[in-house]
Amino acid sequence: EVQLVESGGGLVQPGGSLRLSCAASGFTFNNYDMNWVRQAPGKGLEWLSYISSGGSIVYYADSVKGRFTISRDNAKNSLYLQMNTLRAEDTAVYYCARHFKFGSGSYSPYCFDYWGQGTLITVSS
Amino acid sequence: DIQMTQSPSSLSASVGDRVTITCRASQSITRYLNWYQQKPGKAPKLLIYGASTLQSGVPSRFSGSGSGTDFTLTISSLQPEDFATYYCQETYSSSLFGGGTKVEIK
Repeated sequence: EVQLVESGGGLVQPGGSLRLSCAASGFTFNNYDMNWVRQAPGKGLEWLSYISSGGSIVYYADSVKGRFTISRDNAKNSLYLQMNTLRAEDTAVYYCARHFKFGSGSYSPYCFDYWGQGTLITVSS
Repeated sequence: DIQMTQSPSSLSASVGDRVTITCRASQSITRYLNWYQQKPGKAPKLLIYGASTLQSGVPSRFSGSGSGTDFTLTISSLQPEDFATYYCQETYSSSLFGGGTKVEIK
């Protein structure tokens, strides 16, 4: 059974830092690209970051570029999100999600087929 | 940048109703469109990918259609467990989600 379990959430002051982890099990982690998605209280979903299966390719949403860093440790089946210079507007539930590619060709369409349960980050003084 | 607009933002329906949710892209995204269901306090769940392919295990009352800029998610006969918020997601240029459609009990 595929499982993704986030951890590391909590209360942090504005300007502070936090590192989220996502522990993966039930599938061959190093075969899959991964993503982070967040959801502010009462709001919709916002994609944040992508990392390729080997970790060499990363992308970020403009809202977190330069402040957040995605990484992974395939030996530990783990995904991470280092969050620096946190702001009140970063308050949200953060999800990790598996990147599933389908189709063929030079560009492979994709979806997020499995999600973790989420971890809440509250940025407040 | 591509914009994704879902409509309506909310709707009220009864068990057994046919429900249609629309997602419109600001430019063509071919068929790079996914649909997710989210219940309160839970993670999103993939329903449909590639505009019309049903994810394994998802009931056949869910269906998706469309291409280019206009897409629909249809629930043929609404069940009690379908009351939730539904999101579309384009994967043509980034991973942008629509604003969501909350399906409530009438």
